[in-house]
Amino acid sequence: KTQVEQSPQSLVVRQGENCVLQCNYSVTPDNHLRWFKQDTGKGLVSLTVLVHENDKTSNGRYSATLDKDAKHSTLHITATLLDDTATYICVVGALASSSFSKLVFGQGTSLSVVP
Amino acid sequence: NAGVIQTPRHKVTGKGQEATLWCEPISGHSAVFWYRQTIVQGLEFLTYFRNQAPIDDSGMPKERFSAQMPNQSHSTLKIQSTQPQDSAVYLCASSLAGRAETLYFGSGTRLTVL
Repeated sequence: KTQVEQSPQSLVVRQGENCVLQCNYSVTPDNHLRWFKQDTGKGLVSLTVLVHENDKTSNGRYSATLDKDAKHSTLHITATLLDDTATYICVVGALASSSFSKLVFGQGTSLSVVP
Repeated sequence: NAGVIQTPRHKVTGKGQEATLWCEPISGHSAVFWYRQTIVQGLEFLTYFRNQAPIDDSGMPKERFSAQMPNQSHSTLKIQSTQPQDSAVYLCASSLAGRAETLYFGSGTRLTVL
């Protein structure tokens, strides 16, 4: 069973539109959840880290929420730009780096922003 | 700060050849991780060093794969007798020990085994 499930698998939006990406998980421990952006052929760039129950974070046009009871997170991107075209990956696991090997990665949502 | 540096960016090998991938972590980061990324499997953990010592290699295939960290400024992942199924993007990441929010990834090495 997939432990970190992201939806949709792919998404196309027009520049300037808002979009919402979903992450559902069954991983324990779930001390932290992180969203990464991966441009084609590049590494993962951290967008936001969520730690506490009902955490909400904001990083410019990116904002995220975490509901630990529901084991669910959303990533909101407002006023999308062409440069937002990328794969967005949700990662769940323990906070301590000693447990980084247990981090579970979602398969990602492929976002395409078109003119 | 140049971030995590991985070389080469692309490597093409013939089946049965050896491939060595290099990673230079961010200066001051004591934890180094190797991951493998494929379309089918997504991101898979391979191995983890802390203060140059191997801590967890539970994700490493038991044969042909080995990783080392001879000093704090670089780590290598070596694949002997490469096979087509080894084709993937190999990502290196580093972090400050104990700080999840400081995990940074390199751009990866795309390995293609013909």
